[in-house]
Amino acid sequence: ELKVEQNPLFLSMQEGKNYTIYCNYSTTSDRLYWYRQDPGKSLESLFVLLSNGAVKQEGRLMASLDTKARLSTLHITAAVHDLSATYFCAVDKGMYSGGGADGLTFGKGTHLIIQP
Amino acid sequence: DSGVTQTPKHLITATGQRVTLRCSPRSGDLSVYWYQQSLDQGLQFLIQYYNGEERAKGNILERFSAQQFPDLHSELNLSSLELGDSALYFCASSPTSGRSSETQYFGPGTRLLVL
Repeated sequence: ELKVEQNPLFLSMQEGKNYTIYCNYSTTSDRLYWYRQDPGKSLESLFVLLSNGAVKQEGRLMASLDTKARLSTLHITAAVHDLSATYFCAVDKGMYSGGGADGLTFGKGTHLIIQP
Repeated sequence: DSGVTQTPKHLITATGQRVTLRCSPRSGDLSVYWYQQSLDQGLQFLIQYYNGEERAKGNILERFSAQQFPDLHSELNLSSLELGDSALYFCASSPTSGRSSETQYFGPGTRLLVL
Protein backbone atom coordinates (compact mmCIF):
# COMPACT_ATOMS: atom_id res chain seq x y z
CA GLU A 1 0.00 0.00 0.00
CA LEU A 2 1.34 3.38 -0.98
CA LYS A 3 1.84 5.77 1.93
CA VAL A 4 2.72 9.44 1.70
CA GLU A 5 4.07 11.30 4.69
CA GLN A 6 4.57 15.03 4.94
CA ASN A 7 6.42 16.96 7.55
CA PRO A 8 5.96 19.18 9.25
CA LEU A 9 2.16 19.10 9.45
CA PHE A 10 2.04 22.58 10.93
CA LEU A 11 4.44 25.41 10.29
CA SER A 12 4.35 28.98 11.49
CA MET A 13 7.01 31.22 10.10
CA GLN A 14 7.82 34.86 9.65
CA GLU A 15 7.81 36.76 6.42
CA GLY A 16 11.18 36.87 4.75
CA LYS A 17 12.34 33.50 6.09
CA ASN A 18 13.12 30.34 4.14
CA TYR A 19 11.75 26.91 4.90
CA THR A 20 11.31 23.45 3.41
CA ILE A 21 8.41 21.01 3.48
CA TYR A 22 9.29 17.33 3.07
CA CYS A 23 7.29 14.60 1.40
CA ASN A 24 8.29 10.94 1.71
CA TYR A 25 6.51 8.11 -0.03
CA SER A 26 6.71 4.40 0.52
CA THR A 27 6.76 2.71 -2.88
CA THR A 28 8.29 3.34 -6.24
CA SER A 29 6.67 6.13 -8.19
CA ASP A 30 7.63 8.29 -11.10
CA ARG A 31 5.11 11.07 -10.62
CA LEU A 32 4.71 13.46 -7.75
CA TYR A 33 2.40 16.44 -7.45
CA TRP A 34 2.19 19.47 -5.20
CA TYR A 35 -1.11 21.19 -4.56
CA ARG A 36 -2.14 24.24 -2.58
CA GLN A 37 -5.45 24.56 -0.73
CA ASP A 38 -6.77 27.76 0.83
CA PRO A 39 -9.31 27.39 3.67
CA GLY A 40 -12.66 26.18 2.36
CA LYS A 41 -11.39 26.18 -1.20
CA SER A 42 -10.41 23.68 -3.84
CA LEU A 43 -6.97 22.33 -4.62
CA GLU A 44 -4.75 24.31 -6.96
CA SER A 45 -2.04 22.49 -8.88
CA LEU A 46 1.44 23.88 -8.21
CA PHE A 47 3.94 21.41 -9.65
CA VAL A 48 4.15 18.07 -11.42
CA LEU A 49 7.50 16.28 -11.01
CA LEU A 50 8.09 13.43 -13.39
CA SER A 51 11.63 12.18 -13.06
CA ASN A 52 14.50 11.75 -10.68
CA GLY A 53 16.27 15.05 -10.14
CA ALA A 54 13.38 17.11 -11.47
CA VAL A 55 13.30 20.65 -10.16
CA LYS A 56 10.59 23.19 -10.83
CA GLN A 57 10.25 26.76 -9.64
CA GLU A 58 7.42 29.23 -9.61
CA GLY A 59 7.96 32.51 -7.83
CA ARG A 60 9.05 31.85 -4.26
CA LEU A 61 8.30 28.13 -4.44
CA MET A 62 10.66 25.47 -5.68
CA ALA A 63 9.95 21.74 -5.76
CA SER A 64 12.35 18.87 -6.31
CA LEU A 65 12.13 15.10 -6.60
CA ASP A 66 14.57 12.35 -5.62
CA THR A 67 12.98 9.07 -6.69
CA LYS A 68 15.79 6.99 -5.26
CA ALA A 69 15.24 8.42 -1.80
CA ARG A 70 11.47 8.55 -2.42
CA LEU A 71 11.56 12.17 -1.30
CA SER A 72 10.24 15.44 -2.61
CA THR A 73 10.79 18.86 -1.12
CA LEU A 74 8.91 22.13 -1.45
CA HIS A 75 11.17 25.04 -0.61
CA ILE A 76 9.82 28.46 0.23
CA THR A 77 12.14 31.40 -0.26
CA ALA A 78 11.61 34.75 1.48
CA ALA A 79 8.09 33.83 2.52
CA VAL A 80 5.25 36.32 2.16
CA HIS A 81 1.84 36.30 3.86
CA ASP A 82 0.03 35.35 0.63
CA LEU A 83 1.71 31.96 0.70
CA SER A 84 -0.23 31.00 3.84
CA ALA A 85 -2.21 27.89 2.90
CA THR A 86 -2.20 24.12 3.25
CA TYR A 87 0.22 22.37 0.91
CA PHE A 88 -0.29 18.78 -0.15
CA CYS A 89 2.00 16.41 -1.92
CA ALA A 90 0.44 13.53 -3.81
CA VAL A 91 1.88 10.50 -5.50
CA ASP A 92 0.72 8.55 -8.49
CA LYS A 93 2.19 5.10 -8.84
CA GLY A 94 2.25 5.66 -12.56
CA MET A 95 4.07 3.03 -14.53
CA TYR A 96 4.59 0.98 -11.37
CA SER A 97 0.89 0.66 -10.60
CA GLY A 98 0.61 -2.60 -12.48
CA GLY A 99 -2.76 -1.63 -13.80
CA GLY A 100 -3.98 -0.40 -10.44
CA ALA A 101 -5.54 2.88 -9.40
CA ASP A 102 -4.67 6.06 -11.19
CA GLY A 103 -5.99 8.06 -8.30
CA LEU A 104 -3.58 10.15 -6.31
CA THR A 105 -2.48 9.23 -2.80
CA PHE A 106 -2.19 12.40 -0.74
CA GLY A 107 -0.16 13.28 2.30
CA LYS A 108 -1.95 14.81 5.28
CA GLY A 109 -0.93 18.30 4.21
CA THR A 110 1.27 20.98 5.73
CA HIS A 111 -0.68 23.86 7.25
CA LEU A 112 1.53 26.89 6.69
CA ILE A 113 1.00 30.21 8.44
CA ILE A 114 3.23 33.11 7.50
CA GLN A 115 3.16 35.98 9.92
CA PRO A 116 4.17 39.56 9.13
CA ASP B 1 -11.07 28.63 -11.81
CA SER B 2 -10.02 25.15 -12.93
CA GLY B 3 -12.88 24.70 -15.40
CA VAL B 4 -14.30 21.78 -13.42
CA THR B 5 -17.79 22.43 -12.08
CA GLN B 6 -19.61 20.69 -9.27
CA THR B 7 -23.16 20.94 -8.00
CA PRO B 8 -24.50 21.46 -5.47
CA LYS B 9 -21.99 23.48 -3.44
CA HIS B 10 -23.59 22.51 -0.16
CA LEU B 11 -25.88 19.67 0.80
CA ILE B 12 -27.51 18.98 4.14
CA THR B 13 -29.37 15.74 4.62
CA ALA B 14 -30.30 13.16 7.24
CA THR B 15 -28.88 9.76 8.06
CA GLY B 16 -30.23 6.98 5.91
CA GLN B 17 -30.89 9.24 2.95
CA ARG B 18 -29.45 9.13 -0.56
CA VAL B 19 -27.85 12.03 -2.44
CA THR B 20 -26.33 12.60 -5.86
CA LEU B 21 -23.37 14.83 -6.51
CA ARG B 22 -22.73 16.07 -10.02
CA CYS B 23 -19.49 16.98 -11.79
CA SER B 24 -18.73 18.42 -15.21
CA PRO B 25 -15.08 18.02 -16.26
CA ARG B 26 -13.01 20.59 -18.09
CA SER B 27 -13.82 20.84 -21.77
CA GLY B 28 -12.06 18.01 -23.59
CA ASP B 29 -11.09 16.04 -20.48
CA LEU B 30 -12.04 12.38 -20.62
CA SER B 31 -11.14 11.29 -17.09
CA VAL B 32 -13.09 12.13 -13.97
CA TYR B 33 -11.89 11.33 -10.46
CA TRP B 34 -13.79 11.55 -7.19
CA TYR B 35 -12.11 12.32 -3.88
CA GLN B 36 -13.37 12.65 -0.33
CA GLN B 37 -11.78 15.09 2.12
CA SER B 38 -12.51 14.79 5.82
CA LEU B 39 -10.69 15.85 8.97
CA ASP B 40 -10.00 12.31 10.14
CA GLN B 41 -9.28 10.57 6.81
CA GLY B 42 -7.71 13.41 4.88
CA LEU B 43 -7.95 13.36 1.09
CA GLN B 44 -8.90 9.93 -0.24
CA PHE B 45 -9.31 8.76 -3.80
CA LEU B 46 -12.68 7.12 -4.37
CA ILE B 47 -13.06 6.21 -8.02
CA GLN B 48 -12.04 7.13 -11.55
CA TYR B 49 -13.94 7.02 -14.82
CA TYR B 50 -12.41 7.35 -18.23
CA ASN B 51 -14.57 8.01 -21.27
CA GLY B 52 -17.59 6.40 -19.67
CA GLU B 53 -15.88 3.35 -18.24
CA GLU B 54 -14.80 2.68 -14.68
CA ARG B 55 -11.02 2.85 -14.69
CA ALA B 56 -9.86 2.53 -11.10
CA LYS B 57 -11.28 2.14 -7.63
CA GLY B 58 -9.87 3.48 -4.42
CA ASN B 59 -11.38 3.56 -0.95
CA ILE B 60 -14.97 3.74 -2.09
CA LEU B 61 -17.64 2.25 0.16
CA GLU B 62 -20.16 -0.22 -1.24
CA ARG B 63 -22.90 2.30 -0.36
CA PHE B 64 -21.34 4.71 -2.84
CA SER B 65 -21.45 4.41 -6.61
CA ALA B 66 -20.59 6.57 -9.58
CA GLN B 67 -21.07 6.76 -13.29
CA GLN B 68 -19.92 8.83 -16.23
CA PHE B 69 -22.37 9.72 -18.93
CA PRO B 70 -21.86 10.03 -22.72
CA ASP B 71 -21.47 13.80 -22.37
CA LEU B 72 -18.65 13.01 -19.89
CA HIS B 73 -20.28 14.52 -16.84
CA SER B 74 -20.19 12.28 -13.80
CA GLU B 75 -22.40 11.63 -10.82
CA LEU B 76 -21.46 10.23 -7.42
CA ASN B 77 -24.31 8.55 -5.60
CA LEU B 78 -24.13 8.21 -1.83
CA SER B 79 -26.77 6.05 -0.16
CA SER B 80 -27.72 4.97 3.37
CA LEU B 81 -25.84 7.99 4.58
CA GLU B 82 -24.12 7.96 7.94
CA LEU B 83 -22.82 10.79 10.08
CA GLY B 84 -19.29 9.83 9.10
CA ASP B 85 -20.00 10.52 5.45
CA SER B 86 -20.01 14.23 6.18
CA ALA B 87 -17.11 15.57 4.17
CA LEU B 88 -16.02 17.66 1.24
CA TYR B 89 -16.32 15.73 -2.01
CA PHE B 90 -14.11 16.83 -4.87
CA CYS B 91 -14.27 15.94 -8.49
CA ALA B 92 -11.13 16.27 -10.61
CA SER B 93 -10.53 15.82 -14.31
CA SER B 94 -7.61 15.21 -16.66
CA PRO B 95 -7.35 14.95 -20.42
CA THR B 96 -6.69 11.24 -20.77
CA SER B 97 -6.54 8.13 -18.61
CA GLY B 98 -3.97 9.61 -16.29
CA ARG B 99 -1.01 7.53 -17.45
CA SER B 100 0.99 10.53 -18.55
CA SER B 101 2.39 13.76 -17.21
CA GLU B 102 -1.01 15.33 -16.70
CA THR B 103 -2.07 16.97 -13.53
CA GLN B 104 -5.57 16.56 -12.20
CA TYR B 105 -7.67 19.73 -12.05
CA PHE B 106 -9.98 19.93 -9.07
CA GLY B 107 -13.47 21.35 -8.91
CA PRO B 108 -14.75 23.58 -6.09
CA GLY B 109 -16.19 20.64 -4.18
CA THR B 110 -19.53 19.72 -2.63
CA ARG B 111 -19.74 20.05 1.12
CA LEU B 112 -22.00 17.33 2.51
CA LEU B 113 -23.38 17.47 6.02
CA VAL B 114 -25.28 14.46 7.32
CA LEU B 115 -27.37 15.16 10.42
